[in-house]
Amino acid sequence: QSVLTQPPSVSAAPGQRVTISCSASSSNIGNNFVSWYQQLPGTAPKLLIYDNNKRPSGIPDRFSGSKSGTSATLGITGLQTGDEADYYCGTWDSSLSAGEFGGGTKLTVL
Amino acid sequence: QVQLQESGPGLVKPSETLSLTCTVSGGSISSYYWSWIRQPPGKGLEWIGYIHYSGSTNYNPSLKSRVTISVDTSKNYFSLKLSSVTAADTAVYYCARGKYYDFWSGLINYYYYYMDVWGKGTTVTVSS
Repeated sequence: QSVLTQPPSVSAAPGQRVTISCSASSSNIGNNFVSWYQQLPGTAPKLLIYDNNKRPSGIPDRFSGSKSGTSATLGITGLQTGDEADYYCGTWDSSLSAGEFGGGTKLTVL
Repeated sequence: QVQLQESGPGLVKPSETLSLTCTVSGGSISSYYWSWIRQPPGKGLEWIGYIHYSGSTNYNPSLKSRVTISVDTSKNYFSLKLSSVTAADTAVYYCARGKYYDFWSGLINYYYYYMDVWGKGTTVTVSS
């Protein structure tokens, strides 16, 4: 059972905006910085956001990240069918000295 | 650009040891935190552990008694060994390059950790 809670699924129409939440169960995680990963069907995860809100080179600005307290949010604007994927948040659990992932959210673009 | 490639047996018998290698190309293994992550069929990601090029390690507490991660800086690869495997260890295993650092602000220690380069993954099935 993950200590980072994500909704199992979200959906929206092409062109619209969607947000995916990631809630930490304790301040041991909530004090730390969050990353987000996109996993397209049948492929390896890819880093989308790091340090709560930074995008690696090559990631379009349609993807954004934010964090407030022990919750983080991934936002995607101008949804495209190619955005259909599983999205995972991740962070460091300082009490366990271990990496953690959320359970993942499946995005469907209707 | 840095690329990672996992290799190893695709089938392991129960109670035996799973051994995988991740070869790093296009860059040096020195610096960074080299990580293993797995994904059981139809399920989410599970962090297994990392090794710093200096040799320091951190493991998932739930796997710690069975996991060993090692690094060979001269050959630019790192390895995973998972002992006493069962069917529950059947998964796609990914290696990844990680970045980890921490700082103090007042009395609170803040941590950054993320994985910016991933291998394509290798499927390991545990079955007799």
